Amino acid sequence: QITLKESGPTLVKPTQTLTLTCTVSGSPTRNGGDGVGWIRQPPGKGLEWLALIYWDDDKRYRPSLKGRLTITRDTSKNQVVLRMTNLDPVDTATYFCAHYSGYDYVLDYWGQGLKVTVSS
Amino acid sequence: QSVLTQPPSASGTPGQRVTISCSGSSSNIGSNTVDWYQQLPGMAPKLLIYSDNQRPSGVPDRFSGSKSGTSASLAISGLQSEDEANYFCASWDDTLNGPCVVFGGGTKLTVL
Repeated sequence: QITLKESGPTLVKPTQTLTLTCTVSGSPTRNGGDGVGWIRQPPGKGLEWLALIYWDDDKRYRPSLKGRLTITRDTSKNQVVLRMTNLDPVDTATYFCAHYSGYDYVLDYWGQGLKVTVSS
Repeated sequence: QSVLTQPPSASGTPGQRVTISCSGSSSNIGSNTVDWYQQLPGMAPKLLIYSDNQRPSGVPDRFSGSKSGTSASLAISGLQSEDEANYFCASWDDTLNGPCVVFGGGTKLTVL
């Protein structure tokens, strides 16, 4: 069973940079096709996929946010970090990380989520 | 505005069968598989169906998925009160700017 946990600040000021960490445990596979993705959910709204990093370090970004997002991984720590620059109140959301199965092409295990508020 | 279109709400009585639709296009559902997630209030999404119609271990066979062309459906038979939740469909989208995952706007299921 794979488990994921998000960590980071819960309150960020506008224009600041948000750095979120996802720690993966439970012996995740290291197949190149597997990876970790980030998804967010504004209050009362739907899910929005942000980025995905494969364990072989290939990366995918949401096109509309590509210039603001950076996703990296530290395989020695089983961690994936998402960095989002120039925060705005509209970025207020619960941020989830999820394990991506390259075999089934699906985000199969999700973290509990971290609520981040952008406010001055 | 979500790339995949779902009805905002659905409802049914206990024991009934309900279906939730998810409409897309040739760049997403038409050429990639569809997944379904269940999100209970205040919780993280849980994978319900993957690869159009496969159930992960532990998901009751009351839940089933299907796909035809650029549309997909989630069916729940023998509706139970604990099925009251939000349901989201998802698929890869092969955009001009590169592939990305897209979600439906979600359907809130009410068990009457």
